[in-house]
Amino acid sequence: DAGVIQSPRHEVTEMGQEVTLRCKPISGHNSLFWYRQTMMRGLELLIYFNNNVPIDDSGMPEDRFSAKMPNASFSTLKIQPSEPRDSAVYFCASSRARPGDTQYFGPGTRLTVL
Amino acid sequence: EDQVTQSPEALRLQEGESSSLNCSYTVSGLRGLFWYRQDPGKGPEFLFTLYSAGEEKEKERLKATLTKKESFLHITAPKPEDSATYLCAVQADTGRRALTFGSGTRLQVQP
Repeated sequence: DAGVIQSPRHEVTEMGQEVTLRCKPISGHNSLFWYRQTMMRGLELLIYFNNNVPIDDSGMPEDRFSAKMPNASFSTLKIQPSEPRDSAVYFCASSRARPGDTQYFGPGTRLTVL
Repeated sequence: EDQVTQSPEALRLQEGESSSLNCSYTVSGLRGLFWYRQDPGKGPEFLFTLYSAGEEKEKERLKATLTKKESFLHITAPKPEDSATYLCAVQADTGRRALTFGSGTRLQVQP
């Protein structure tokens, strides 16, 4: 089975530009998570969806960040406008819907904002 | 607030030299403790889930154990291919599904 798929793998953009990251979860998984990894703060949850509905967005840093899940097989994380401090690796993970179920991570998108 | 502390930050072993990585956690109620392995430029790869104190799980040269305050990842006779960053994470039983991660232990196994 295919794992979590993310695109692009690398993104370099200039400050002020819009960035869209994409994720396809594992088929049959009902929950989708967006995490961000930096050297300073490690891995932190940004937002998660259950059955395509956003459940917890308390980790979204500010209004410049938004996430959508229009269907069970696709999610986007958008940053508009981007800033240099947004530079990080963004991971998408998916799991079945039960608490305690394992979250499986994608390969990540390395974002660099110049 | 849930907290996870991993030690040591970095560990260098010779091939075949067994050791243990520590994960200390503070959580209101533990739903699960997760161990992941992360190679450079890749996403975390799932290793184990532990749910209750006293539980142990093994996979090849790795064995994870859990107490009420900490978890250990024991590496027996490591090989160079075990070199990676090992991440520990907890999920609280509050219903919030977020994983709280530690900062990881960077393991290097030299031949």
